[in-house]
Amino acid sequence: DADVTQTPRNRITKTGKRIMLECSQTKGHDRMYWYRQDPGLGLRLIYYSFDVKDINKGEISDGYSVSRQAQAKFSLSLESAIPNQTALYFCATQTSGSLTDTQYFGPGTRLTVL
Amino acid sequence: AQSVTQLDSHVSVSEGTPVLLRCNYSSSYSPSLFWYVQHPNKGLQLLLKYTSAATLVKGINGFEAEFKKSETSFHLTKPSAHMSDAAEYFCVVSDLPGTYKYIFGTGTRLKVLA
Repeated sequence: DADVTQTPRNRITKTGKRIMLECSQTKGHDRMYWYRQDPGLGLRLIYYSFDVKDINKGEISDGYSVSRQAQAKFSLSLESAIPNQTALYFCATQTSGSLTDTQYFGPGTRLTVL
Repeated sequence: AQSVTQLDSHVSVSEGTPVLLRCNYSSSYSPSLFWYVQHPNKGLQLLLKYTSAATLVKGINGFEAEFKKSETSFHLTKPSAHMSDAAEYFCVVSDLPGTYKYIFGTGTRLKVLA
């Protein structure tokens, strides 16, 4: 079984709808991240969480919210989806945190907003 | 602020010839640097990382990268390309100590010609 899972893997929705993307991990890591990937822009950080009680905005948090329900679960919500939120979304985990610590990525969720 | 620049958005090589993917970074301290690979419709996989030990870092699948502080570079190389190397590659620099966030380059898409 994969260490970092994301559901759904693909989602098509309409403008104005509320969408939740879910991430679960079995690695026991404290830190979790949400990124979006757009062609030619690399990955950009939306939100990150260092533990259940510590949630921080990334560089592009507008229009998104998150919930850290447990150490293993970190959900990303789009309260009112808009077409420019069409992207590939990745969840990642990381251990306690040092410069050398690797982030482990889920398989991604492809979201299309019509 | 930390940043990373991938100098080529697309690179094409013939199978069996060397691969060079270029990455320059900017950092106000001694960073950690990473290379990730993303195969089509897959998540990101760590290829290798530099953590201030040896400047020549060996990774998976025959890839290696050399950290050159004087040139602020961390180029990825492989002596002989294989068809399975066709993918997108991301250079990543770690953010300031205390945050340990990743800063991604915009990616280089590697095409391997038969």
